[in-house]
Amino acid sequence: EPEVTQTPSHQVTQMGQEVILRCVPISNHLYFYWYRQILGQKVEFLVSFYNNEISEKSEIFDDQFSVERPDGSNFTLKIRSTKLEDSAMYFCASSYSGRRGVYNEQFFGPGTRLTVL
Amino acid sequence: SQQGEEDPQALSIQEGENATMNCSYKTSINNLQWYRQNSGRGLVHLILIRSNEREKHSGRLRVTLDTSKKSSSLLITASRAADTASYFCATDAGSWGSQGNLIFGKGTKLSVKP
Repeated sequence: EPEVTQTPSHQVTQMGQEVILRCVPISNHLYFYWYRQILGQKVEFLVSFYNNEISEKSEIFDDQFSVERPDGSNFTLKIRSTKLEDSAMYFCASSYSGRRGVYNEQFFGPGTRLTVL
Repeated sequence: SQQGEEDPQALSIQEGENATMNCSYKTSINNLQWYRQNSGRGLVHLILIRSNEREKHSGRLRVTLDTSKKSSSLLITASRAADTASYFCATDAGSWGSQGNLIFGKGTKLSVKP
């Protein structure tokens, strides 16, 4: 069964460093998302991506964040200068929607645990 | 309560019993999805119910949706120790044409004792 994959599973970085989190969505999916979950808290939406551009983004997704689909399979989240409060589990998700306004299941990857020291 | 708020926060039952978790939300929705998360792991999609559906089944799972009360319930029948996990409801409340961004609740932590 197709699944969303993410690498790395765990990333440790120093404050101020840049990190890139990678995701491979399910191959025929059209919509891509990043969410994050700070330890013990809710899963929070960061950004959605469709047709090679950002569709929506939350207040969390500030200028330090960017997303890219560099080729036909990968979807990346970059944090330019990490802060301590960026430590969280980051989830990539994808969904297929064949009809505008009708959204189907979002399938999540296993997550990347980011630790900022 | 906030959009996608589950109750109870924690539920402990014996193997073989049924587990019922509830979710309430505030705004109108396109669909509601239930996910399971084992401790420190990823989110596993369980079931999606659309706003025009009232009930849906998948194996031992039964989901209901009452849009007049803005609530949903997830029933797990004949629970097993392997069902121990946190369960989240997530609402897609985007306006028509939006990208279906999900709003998650805090989850119900289910513990099934063998």
